[in-house]
Amino acid sequence: EPEVTQTPSHQVTQMGQEVILRCVPISNHLYFYWYRQILGQKVEFLVSFYNNEISEKSEIFDDQFSVERPDGSNFTLKIRSTKLEDSAMYFCASRSSGGALETQYFGPGTRLLVL
Amino acid sequence: AQSVSQHNHHVILSEAASLELGCNYSYGGTVNLFWYVQYPGQHLQLLLKYFSGDPLVKGIKGFEAEFIKSKFSFNLRKPSVQWSDTAEYFCAVKRGNYGGSQGNLIFGKGTKLSVKP
Repeated sequence: EPEVTQTPSHQVTQMGQEVILRCVPISNHLYFYWYRQILGQKVEFLVSFYNNEISEKSEIFDDQFSVERPDGSNFTLKIRSTKLEDSAMYFCASRSSGGALETQYFGPGTRLLVL
Repeated sequence: AQSVSQHNHHVILSEAASLELGCNYSYGGTVNLFWYVQYPGQHLQLLLKYFSGDPLVKGIKGFEAEFIKSKFSFNLRKPSVQWSDTAEYFCAVKRGNYGGSQGNLIFGKGTKLSVKP
């Protein structure tokens, strides 16, 4: 069964550094999402992406965040200058074009630790 | 703002016990409801979903959930749990048929289920 994959599985960085989290969505999917889960808290929506542009974003997704689909297979989340409070598990998800009711498939997550 | 509440943070059961995990949401319009499961070290997987029709939804691995609109609830049930059901369970809501929405999910905080063999 096709899966969403994410790399790296863990990343440790210093505050102020840039990080890029990578995701490979399922190949025929057209809608892509990033979510995050701070330890002990709920999974929160960050951003959705369709047709090479952001379609929705939450208030968490400020100017420090950006997303890109650079080559038709990868879907990346960049945090320009990391803060301690960016430490979280980041999940990528994708779904097909069957409508907004279609199931989102999640990747295994990247655990980001900002020191 | 919409929110999803999961009442139990951690549930501990013995094998063969029955399970019910609570989920309530706060949105008065049409909603689509989901339960996801995350086994240790694995990614979020869909257990079941409700869009419309029969409010009793059956999912994988013997799980079911009932949508009760009047109570804004979508509780997850399983009549007899197994040790392999040890995982974290997340309830999620999406506003239904929302024009322009790309379907982002609103999650509850999750409930950890530990099943003792």
